[in-house]
Amino acid sequence: QKEVEQDPGPLSVPEGAIVSLNCTYSNSAFQYFMWYRQYSRKGPELLMYTYSSGNKEDGRFTAQVDKSSKYISLFIRDSQPSDSATYLCAMSAWRGQGGSEKLVFGKGTKLTVNP
Amino acid sequence: DAGITQSPRHKVTETGTPVTLRCHQTENHRYMYWYRQDPGHGLRLIHYSYGVKDTDKGEVSDGYSVSRSKTEDFLLTLESATSSQTSVYFCAARGLDNSPLHFGNGTRLTVT
Repeated sequence: QKEVEQDPGPLSVPEGAIVSLNCTYSNSAFQYFMWYRQYSRKGPELLMYTYSSGNKEDGRFTAQVDKSSKYISLFIRDSQPSDSATYLCAMSAWRGQGGSEKLVFGKGTKLTVNP
Repeated sequence: DAGITQSPRHKVTETGTPVTLRCHQTENHRYMYWYRQDPGHGLRLIHYSYGVKDTDKGEVSDGYSVSRSKTEDFLLTLESATSSQTSVYFCAARGLDNSPLHFGNGTRLTVT
């Protein structure tokens, strides 16, 4: 079983739709969860950063973490053509004070929002 | 803008030649990373640094070396480029433990 699984899509939605992007993971040690947005020919850009379970909202974006199900989601409300990009999930675990980090990225979901 | 600049942005080189990619950051971040991104593989860690002259290998380090002589600069060298090293290379950095990575805009390398 892969440590992080993310449906590659592509996902195509009409403007104004609610978009749900998801990742599942197998390592229960992951504590920090991130979503990145990557436009074509650009570097990944941090969208959301959360610790532990629960929801975090930032404008039209909501990140949700369910550690009991090992499942994270990113919701985009009122999607816009400018949201068209590849979305990467990432998660990390730190091995104690001064210890090393395990950071794993999903392979990304390509989203197109059609006007 | 995460203050991370990569150079060059594009490079075409021939098999067997050495290539050096540069990452420069202006935020005094302690940690710096080199990733490659390929279709079907996503982001894969090549090498990382946790301080000046302190570096370690990632999951795909064969054929690559790094150096960090100053906090702001992290160099990635392909000792003898091969076609399998054709990829997009991203530099990333972070300041503190548990903080998220911030990425540069990448170098697109083609080895012919």
